[in-house]
Amino acid sequence: SQTIHQWPATLVQPVGSPLSLECTVEGTSNPNLYWYRQAAGRGLQLLFYSVGIGQISSEVPQNLSASRPQDRQFILSSKKLLLSDSGFYLCAWSAGAFYNEQFFGPGTRLTVL
Amino acid sequence: AQTVTQSQPEMSVQEAETVTLSCTYDTSENNYYLFWYKQPPSRQMILVIRQEAYKQQNATENRFSVNFQKAAKSFSLKISDSQLGDTAMYFCAFLEMNRDDKIIFGKGTRLHILP
Repeated sequence: SQTIHQWPATLVQPVGSPLSLECTVEGTSNPNLYWYRQAAGRGLQLLFYSVGIGQISSEVPQNLSASRPQDRQFILSSKKLLLSDSGFYLCAWSAGAFYNEQFFGPGTRLTVL
Repeated sequence: AQTVTQSQPEMSVQEAETVTLSCTYDTSENNYYLFWYKQPPSRQMILVIRQEAYKQQNATENRFSVNFQKAAKSFSLKISDSQLGDTAMYFCAFLEMNRDDKIIFGKGTRLHILP
């Protein structure tokens, strides 16, 4: 069966510090991968998605970036965090096209102080 | 641009009652999917139900059913015989086919099932 992992579960970082959140998927090949952010009082916002290794589409201009160095690994990064980067970050995967069900990871709670 | 609107930020109902969560969306396209996702306190997102726009029959999954009104662009979720475990944030989502395939979420409705 397929599983999706995210780490860390929680993170507290000072403003201006770098960020690296990791997501890995097991039990499937060539998944579509997604990074979402859920800010307080808001719905899910799609940040990045990837249909293959090295292929990243950015949805929202910001100081975050994403990379997919391996087929089942998706990394969310920042060189310098802002206060507004605080939120709950969810990684998800789907098989093939977007209209297939997306399976979400447990999420990372990021607090920028 | 496509939008998804959930007009009820928060709702509370007694256990065993039936509750309906509303969702409206805006699109000029004809082929799309609609979803309801559940996010319990554990924060794990779970797909509750999915509806293909070309299907006239409303989707049903056990105690969960939808009222899909395509002309009105409405996609409400009905939870029958509500249970304490149904307490969660519910997100309505829209996916248009044949374009860039981006799923768009509403802002969510926080549902409390009271004992």
